[in-house]
Amino acid sequence: DTAVSQTPKYLVTQMGNDKSIKCEQNLGHDTMYWYKQDSKKFLKIMFSYNNKELIINETVPNRFSPKSPDKAHLNLHINSLELGDSAVYFCASSQGTGNGYTFGSGTRLTVV
Amino acid sequence: KQEVTQIPAALSVPEGENLVLNCSFTDSAIYNLQWFRQDPGKGLTSLLLIQSSQREQTSGRLNASLDKSSGRSTLYIAASQPGDSATYLCAVSRGGSEKLVFGKGTKLTVNP
Repeated sequence: DTAVSQTPKYLVTQMGNDKSIKCEQNLGHDTMYWYKQDSKKFLKIMFSYNNKELIINETVPNRFSPKSPDKAHLNLHINSLELGDSAVYFCASSQGTGNGYTFGSGTRLTVV
Repeated sequence: KQEVTQIPAALSVPEGENLVLNCSFTDSAIYNLQWFRQDPGKGLTSLLLIQSSQREQTSGRLNASLDKSSGRSTLYIAASQPGDSATYLCAVSRGGSEKLVFGKGTKLTVNP
């Protein structure tokens, strides 16, 4: 009965590869997000979708492409992975104003 | 541009002590402030959510206050325990589908 679930939990891949991270929420929330936590543990927004529509795209290289097939799913595809992409990626969701945000457990991406 | 600052960056206390973590934000036009806890290698656990119309929220030994006009929030932890050791993150948003803006966190260590 996990609220926001991400797969995979760990991902180790070589430079230049393409990879995807999947996220699903069963909370009925309208908005989903991708956050990146860098090596200094700072969390920063990457994208948000509201009812499958892209709302926020924060200066992220176009190698990163989010896709939302429906409002319960938000996937992140990364092309031509670079060493600097190594980080923990968190998916989150929220609903309306006045409600909190719920986060997934994160995907630790390591590019070697 | 919203900026969130958390002081101190790290804190080490003996078990049983009461403590206060501080969070400040530069833009008072927020709707929500949320405190999270992050254990090493884990995801984010929501602790308390304060809406801008509220002054404080309490959950067990935790109490969070919000002074929107001065751009400050505090998280008070009573009778600290070793299990409270974690990084505590403060984040603000304008609500709706708006992003959460995070501080860099306070790393708390409670020594037995």
